[in-house]
Amino acid sequence: GESVGLHLPTLSVQEGDNSIINCAYSNSASDYFIWYKQESGKGPQFIIDIRSNMDKRQGQRVTVLLNKTVKHLSLQIAATQPGDSAVYFCAERDKAAGNKLTFGGGTRVLVKP
Amino acid sequence: KAGVTQTPRYLIKTRGQQVTLSCSPISGHRSVSWYQQTPGQGLQFLFEYFSETQRNKGNFPGRFSGRQFSNSRSEMNVSTLELGDSALYLCASSFTQATDTQYFGPGTRLTVL
Repeated sequence: GESVGLHLPTLSVQEGDNSIINCAYSNSASDYFIWYKQESGKGPQFIIDIRSNMDKRQGQRVTVLLNKTVKHLSLQIAATQPGDSAVYFCAERDKAAGNKLTFGGGTRVLVKP
Repeated sequence: KAGVTQTPRYLIKTRGQQVTLSCSPISGHRSVSWYQQTPGQGLQFLFEYFSETQRNKGNFPGRFSGRQFSNSRSEMNVSTLELGDSALYLCASSFTQATDTQYFGPGTRLTVL
């Protein structure tokens, strides 16, 4: 079946530096991708999304890049702050599967002061 | 606008018992999806309800069931609990379509002893 995976399980970043979290997906039919942030004891929090007809989308301090050719998704966080410490998940959705999201395994980001 | 709420937040049950979890979506949202999160399997889709009908279902045994009420509130039930059912159960709501962003609640932490 289709799966979404992450290359790095843990990412340590110096406060103020930029963070890049990568994600590979395998379902070429996926047309919508989302990044979620999950802090300890909380549910996933929506960060940013991107549709398959785009290759880049920017939010506040975050940028998502989509490379459909190699089925790769990345999340860039500018000027990483202590509050960015969390587990980050990428998720994909195949329109044919309705509202079902397929999640990657997650990457833990640790921000060092 | 209030977010997705889930009750109870924590639950302890013993093997063989059954449990019912509740989710209230964001006001105006009509789609409710349920996910199971475990350290070993990550986030996995259980099912989605829209307008009181199950619209999509994941690969879980029939012991896992759900329903949605006319006010869009949803419940999920797990019968004959097994130790492996211990997990964080997350509910996510979205407006209507599969292309709408899903917003997650804080989850219900179920422990099966």
